[in-house]
Amino acid sequence: DTAVSQTPKYLVTQMGNDKSIKCEQNLGHDTMYWYKQDSKKFLKIMFSYNNKELIINETVPNRFSPKSPDKAHLNLHINSLELGDSAVYFCASSQPGQIYGYTFGSGTRLTVV
Amino acid sequence: GDSVTQMEGPVTLSEEAFLTINCTYTATGYPSLFWYVQYPGEGLQLLLKATKADDKGSNKGFEATYRKETTSFHLEKGSVQVSDSAVYFCALSYTGRRALTFGSGTRLQVQP
Repeated sequence: DTAVSQTPKYLVTQMGNDKSIKCEQNLGHDTMYWYKQDSKKFLKIMFSYNNKELIINETVPNRFSPKSPDKAHLNLHINSLELGDSAVYFCASSQPGQIYGYTFGSGTRLTVV
Repeated sequence: GDSVTQMEGPVTLSEEAFLTINCTYTATGYPSLFWYVQYPGEGLQLLLKATKADDKGSNKGFEATYRKETTSFHLEKGSVQVSDSAVYFCALSYTGRRALTFGSGTRLQVQP
């Protein structure tokens, strides 16, 4: 069973479109995250949710909107896509108080053309 | 705020060479430290971790020691293999309570 699963794995879309990326974790973790990895491999936190509550909202354009219907899911919706949004987006989860680290999904490669 | 600095890559080594990837950190508290590895086309995998000063994390022949006095967590391996070719990320956090803060990643290329 995949611990943190993201869909789709690849997403190619035109500028101006709206798209969503879904993430689900079956680890029972309370906290979920979205990270963006740019073309130079740099990883930056975008959002974090704890038990469906937004706790981290970094400087991200408001075209990006996370949604957490329950603590096992954290979806990312992006409006009016721009070329600069092309990146790999990683979902991750963790459990506060545990020392096991964070579990990452396999990533969604978004290409805006 | 917290930050992590890694040596720039790529690091190119021959098989069986000794590997060191430097990592230093700046933190306001007492974080846990991690090394993650990203193989080509894949997501991030936890390689090893250390939760307090002087702890040594180890896995798959890789080791790193949490050095509070030098605020460092250098990754080492005695004999690298071609299959170790990947991007390695140093990171810190506070036992799952906050997001990981990553270094910029170091690409390792091991040649036969």
